[in-house]
Amino acid sequence: QKEVEQNSGPLSVPEGAIASLNCTYSDRGSQSFFWYRQYSGKSPELIMSIYSNGDKEDGRFTAQLNKASQYVSLLIRDSQPSDSATYLCAVKPRNTGKLIFGQGTTLQVKP
Amino acid sequence: GAGVSQTPSNKVTEKGKYVELRCDPISGHTALYWYRQSLGQGPEFLIYFQGTGAADDSGLPNDRFFAVRPEGSVSTLKIQRTERGDSAVYLCASSLGAAAPETQYFGPGTRLLVL
Repeated sequence: QKEVEQNSGPLSVPEGAIASLNCTYSDRGSQSFFWYRQYSGKSPELIMSIYSNGDKEDGRFTAQLNKASQYVSLLIRDSQPSDSATYLCAVKPRNTGKLIFGQGTTLQVKP
Repeated sequence: GAGVSQTPSNKVTEKGKYVELRCDPISGHTALYWYRQSLGQGPEFLIYFQGTGAADDSGLPNDRFFAVRPEGSVSTLKIQRTERGDSAVYLCASSLGAAAPETQYFGPGTRLLVL
């Protein structure tokens, strides 16, 4: 079992729809959870971080964390073509600074 | 302000050669991380520094890989006897510290191609 798992996609949604991206992780002791966006040929860019159970909203983005189910999700409301990218879920285990990344989910937002 | 910078942006080398990849972190960031990313995969952790010391080098794949950060700022990732399987994008990131909830900011990466 991979430490952080994501569906590679592609996930295709129409412009204006809600995109839902999911991630599961295996280390129950993990403390911090991040969503990075990566455009083709570019480096990852942080869009959301979440540390406690529940929802965290920032503009069109909402991160959801359920530690009991070891599940993190990212919702993108009113999806735009500019949101088309690969979304990487990253988990920071306890007592370490490193991030463990999933393989990423490719999102395509069609006009 | 300036972000994380990495040089060179691209490196082509021949199998068996030695390469050095450089990372210049954001000013004031004490933690520095190296990852590598293969096509279609997420970044894979290699090593991170807190100050001058390697706090965790558990991701280095073998003893051909080595990294240093002698003055606690710039870091160099060194790869000896390169192999074709080393071809990837090598990403550097930095953060204020290594503890949560510090955000890691990534540089543009060095694309290494071993022929």
